[in-house]
Amino acid sequence: AQSVTQPDIHITVSEGASLELRCNYSYGATPYLFWYVQSPGQGLQLLLKYFSGDTLVQGIKGFEAEFKRSQSSFNLRKPSVHWSDAAEYFCVANTGNQFYFGTGTSLTVIP
Amino acid sequence: DTAVSQTPKYLVTQMGNDKSIKCEQNLGHDTMYWYKQDSKKFLKIMFSYNNKELIINETVPNRFSPKSPDKAHLNLHINSLELGDSAVYFCASSQGGLGVEQYFGPGTRLTVT
Repeated sequence: AQSVTQPDIHITVSEGASLELRCNYSYGATPYLFWYVQSPGQGLQLLLKYFSGDTLVQGIKGFEAEFKRSQSSFNLRKPSVHWSDAAEYFCVANTGNQFYFGTGTSLTVIP
Repeated sequence: DTAVSQTPKYLVTQMGNDKSIKCEQNLGHDTMYWYKQDSKKFLKIMFSYNNKELIINETVPNRFSPKSPDKAHLNLHINSLELGDSAVYFCASSQGGLGVEQYFGPGTRLTVT
């Protein structure tokens, strides 16, 4: 069955430090891949998406993600985290009509 | 203009009651969804409608019934509410097809006492 795994339930980083959130998918073919962010008390907002082509995709708010077919991964990165990045992050795979959500990674940013 | 709106934002009710949550999107999308997010932030799809037709109906108690009067609206009616129904419910929409972005509403926090 298709699935998306986010191994890190919770991550804490210092403001200004770099960030990498991990995501692995399980699917026969390459699905369409997304990263969404959910700020406290808010709905989900799209950060970036990967369909095909360049495996390094740029998103909003200074985020980027790299698709690695050999590792079935789509990790999210940011070189310098801001306090406002504290939120819940979801990796999502899309095949056909189905959307498969990871369990989310909660990011805490300390001053 | 709010792209995907939900009402109400908060809903507190007693066990056994019937309640509805409304969702409207003004993006012209043809597909709408309902998700349930539990206390651990896990998101689970409940239903999906494409052009008013049900296309995804996950294993959800039949106390939950979606209704799509038109492409822009997808309401969720819940009968005989139970404590375990307490969660945040998100509506979303997309322009159908493969690999398209979903736009999410702000959520409705349902608390059953």
